Amino acid sequence: QSALTQPASVSGSPGQSITISCTGTSSDVGGYNYVSWYQQHPGKAPKFMIYEVSNRPSGVSNRFSGSKSGNTASLTISGLQAEDEADYYCSSYTSRSTVVFGGGTQLTVL
Amino acid sequence: QVQLVQSGSELKKPGASVKVSCKASGYTFTSYAMNWVRQAPGQGLEWMGWINTNTGNPTYAQGFTGRFVFSLDTSVSTAYLQISSLEAEDTAVYYCAREFIAAPGTVDYWGQGTLVTVSS
Repeated sequence: QSALTQPASVSGSPGQSITISCTGTSSDVGGYNYVSWYQQHPGKAPKFMIYEVSNRPSGVSNRFSGSKSGNTASLTISGLQAEDEADYYCSSYTSRSTVVFGGGTQLTVL
Repeated sequence: QVQLVQSGSELKKPGASVKVSCKASGYTFTSYAMNWVRQAPGQGLEWMGWINTNTGNPTYAQGFTGRFVFSLDTSVSTAYLQISSLEAEDTAVYYCAREFIAAPGTVDYWGQGTLVTVSS
């Protein structure tokens, strides 16, 4: 199972919005609404941010939102803050009942 | 509150074995599957597989069969990852992560990670 495709890096200024894409296939992202997103700060464990494409777990800021169109899911962060600078990973359930992660995107807040 | 506490860093020689533990608390251990995720230095997350904490049945991702074994001790709410015949390429941080019950393939709580370094 190949990793989902994410841009290596994105950047934005405080207060702006950015979007991170996550492209898979009809066997994973396109076939299921089980896409999730995780935030990872350096040296820390990942943090659960989005599940089922667009749902936020309790405690996650509403500045984070998710969507999907076809085989591509997206994470949008609005009102960028310095603390949002981190690596972001998407993941998807697959037709083989496995999980595949994206390669990760490094977000820089300018 | 839900917590997953993993064992400490390990330094092993090539060919040796290592066993990483993940002790769960704050919830009913056997009600949630446990996943394992690897992160090599400077690399992304890689799903290794999961273990059904009710039946003990493991599922391994491609590339993690043979030398990798998931196990449980439900009496102490602990999941284990054992890696045998260690190779330099096994150097990584290994995370346990609890399955999010509402969505297959999704994990909600993560352990702090265990760094396994394989070096002669």
